Amino acid sequence: DVKVTQSSRYLVKRTGEKVFLECVQDMDHENMFWYRQDPGLGLRLIYFSYDVKMKEKGDIPEGYSVSREKKERFSLILESASTNQTSMYLCASNRRDRATYEQYFGPGTRLTVT
Amino acid sequence: RKEVEQDPGPFNVPEGATVAFNCTYSNSASQSFFWYRQDCRKEPKLLMSVYSSGNEDGRFTAQLNRASQYISLLIRDSKLSDSATYLCVVPQNTGGFKTIFGAGTRLFVKA
Repeated sequence: DVKVTQSSRYLVKRTGEKVFLECVQDMDHENMFWYRQDPGLGLRLIYFSYDVKMKEKGDIPEGYSVSREKKERFSLILESASTNQTSMYLCASNRRDRATYEQYFGPGTRLTVT
Repeated sequence: RKEVEQDPGPFNVPEGATVAFNCTYSNSASQSFFWYRQDCRKEPKLLMSVYSSGNEDGRFTAQLNRASQYISLLIRDSKLSDSATYLCVVPQNTGGFKTIFGAGTRLFVKA
């Protein structure tokens, strides 16, 4: 059974803080994704990684960076958190040969920036 | 026009009712489509895929209309446990990774 875990379910940070969100998957998936989900806007892709140390910008990469040093781990970094980054952050993964097929999601991290 | 648009919910239906949601997409080259279900404060999970004319799984039927560029999800004999948000998902099939998620349609099934 595929499992995607995220380091925190709830997180409260102050404006200007550096924030790390961690995601780990245990199915040896090549592809990993970071999305944010906001009411009325659906899931929006922040960054995508298709291999270790490889990354591609999604639709809304501004204010974020990512790191993929190991295949199973994909980190999202908010260099200087701002209130407009308050959101639900979802990590997902799937196999490279099924890049446009089912994605497996983690439980999400609800981040509040005050 | 948004790349993927869904019926605005919420849909409030009694148990046993039949309910249908629509989702329109703008990329005529899209080949595959998905419905995900997301329970309150939970992650999205795949419900059904739609590759050609349609797909049926028990009480759930997903249909594709390529000419009009929409997919639909029909739920028959609604259960209380069907209450959730249903996300329409359209991979872009551009050789890359982009998948467009709709904003979701919320369904409430009441006793």
